[in-house]
Amino acid sequence: AQTVTQSQPEMSVQEAETVTLSCTYDTSENNYYLFWYKQPPSRQMILVIRQEAYKQQNATENRFSVNFQKAAKSFSLKISDSQLGDTAMYFCAFMNTGGGNKLTFGTGTQLKVEL
Amino acid sequence: SAVISQKPSRDICQRGTSLTIQCQVDSQVTMMFWYRQQPGQSLTLIATANQGSEATYESGFVIDKFPISRPNLTFSTLTVSNMSPEDSSIYLCSVVSTGLNEKLFFGSGTQLSVL
Repeated sequence: AQTVTQSQPEMSVQEAETVTLSCTYDTSENNYYLFWYKQPPSRQMILVIRQEAYKQQNATENRFSVNFQKAAKSFSLKISDSQLGDTAMYFCAFMNTGGGNKLTFGTGTQLKVEL
Repeated sequence: SAVISQKPSRDICQRGTSLTIQCQVDSQVTMMFWYRQQPGQSLTLIATANQGSEATYESGFVIDKFPISRPNLTFSTLTVSNMSPEDSSIYLCSVVSTGLNEKLFFGSGTQLSVL
């Protein structure tokens, strides 16, 4: 079974600064996907970014980028130019290729962006 | 991405009663899932809603407690039966859109409180 670990329950960052959220995972699989989801107080789960394990290039979506280290089983999220609207709970998630599109989530990191 | 409507958005229910949650998608989707998010916790997969057949439940979840229907490719329901306060959670519908493989999108969730 896969496990996803987020070791930072809470983090804060000043507006316009950069912050990195950590995520590690454990799997014996070679092909899989990794995701970061954002959950603001509205409860909506919003897909932030997705990484395919077979791709060496790190995924990027505007101000969001990842540092994917497959050998270390690490998948961190970097948020640049943080904005107040980035305040949310962030979940790292794992999906095994061919595993029926089921997601295994980490415990989440509460990010607060401050003025 | 698919537009997912989930109803009700929240409800307060009495112990011993049942609540049915609806998930409607604006396009045909290949897969639909139901997740539970207990207070302050991460998301846990309850089951995969299969079109035209019985849902596939994850370990710890049973059909008698969480009956699921999926009569077509755009609609599913989850019933929380014989509720107890321990069922107080957010329940989220999730879909994989046709042509957007391995990208899961979520509904806005149903906040359930059981007294």
